[in-house]
Amino acid sequence: QQQVKQSPQSLIVQKGGISIINCAYENTAFDYFPWYQQFPGKGPALLIAIRPDVSEKKEGRFTISFNKSAKQFSLHIMDSQPGDSATYFCAARGSNYKLTFGKGTLLTVNP
Amino acid sequence: GAGVSQTPSNKVTEKGKYVELRCDPISGHTALYWYRQSLGQGPEFLIYFQGTGAADDSGLPNDRFFAVRPEGSVSTLKIQRTERGDSAVYLCASSRTINDNEQFFGPGTRLTVL
Repeated sequence: QQQVKQSPQSLIVQKGGISIINCAYENTAFDYFPWYQQFPGKGPALLIAIRPDVSEKKEGRFTISFNKSAKQFSLHIMDSQPGDSATYFCAARGSNYKLTFGKGTLLTVNP
Repeated sequence: GAGVSQTPSNKVTEKGKYVELRCDPISGHTALYWYRQSLGQGPEFLIYFQGTGAADDSGLPNDRFFAVRPEGSVSTLKIQRTERGDSAVYLCASSRTINDNEQFFGPGTRLTVL
C-alpha cells in the first residue's frame, strides 16, 4: 500500500519556466509534509516543508501548496534553473516519527 | 559543522556473506534513522533509534537485518546471509531530537550483492 503517491515520474522544463510536482496522501494522521531534493550520488536534502494548518508556504523560488480536504500537496519551482535538475521527493510524517516518501520525480531543466 | 557520514560509500559482496554498514550522525543528534532506497524509488524506512534504544524497527524486512547504536552516537546496520534483493542504497539520517521534524541525511552506502 503506497501511502504517498507522487506525480509525474519525470518532468522536463525550460529554463525560466515553472516546475510543478504533485503528491497525494492517504493517512490523515500525517502532520508534517517535507520536500527533499536529491542529486546523483548524494543523500536527500530538505528543501521546504509545511504543516497542514497552513495552505501555502514560500521560500525563495520554492512554494508548497497544501489542500487538506483533498489530501494533496504540491511543489512549485518558479524561474526553474538548470541547477535545479535533480530528483525531488515528497514525504509525510506522523506521530510515529518516520518519513514515508513518494517515488520521486526526475526534473530536468533545459538551458 | 560536519554532516552525517556513512562508511563505506560502496560495498560489493557475494550472496550469503555478512556485511556491516556504519553511520556517524551529526554530533549531538539523539535520533538516528535508517532508510533503504532501491533504484528509481523513494527511501523506505527501516528502523530508528532514540538514544541507544531501537524505538521502532518495524521497517526491517526480516530477521537477517539488525541495527545497533550502543553508545547513542554511531550506528551499525548489520545484514546476515545477504541476498541479491538486498542490493540498494542504505541511507542514514539524524535529527536533533525525535521531535525535530528535519532529518539530515548522509550520502548513503551503495550495497551490491553479487
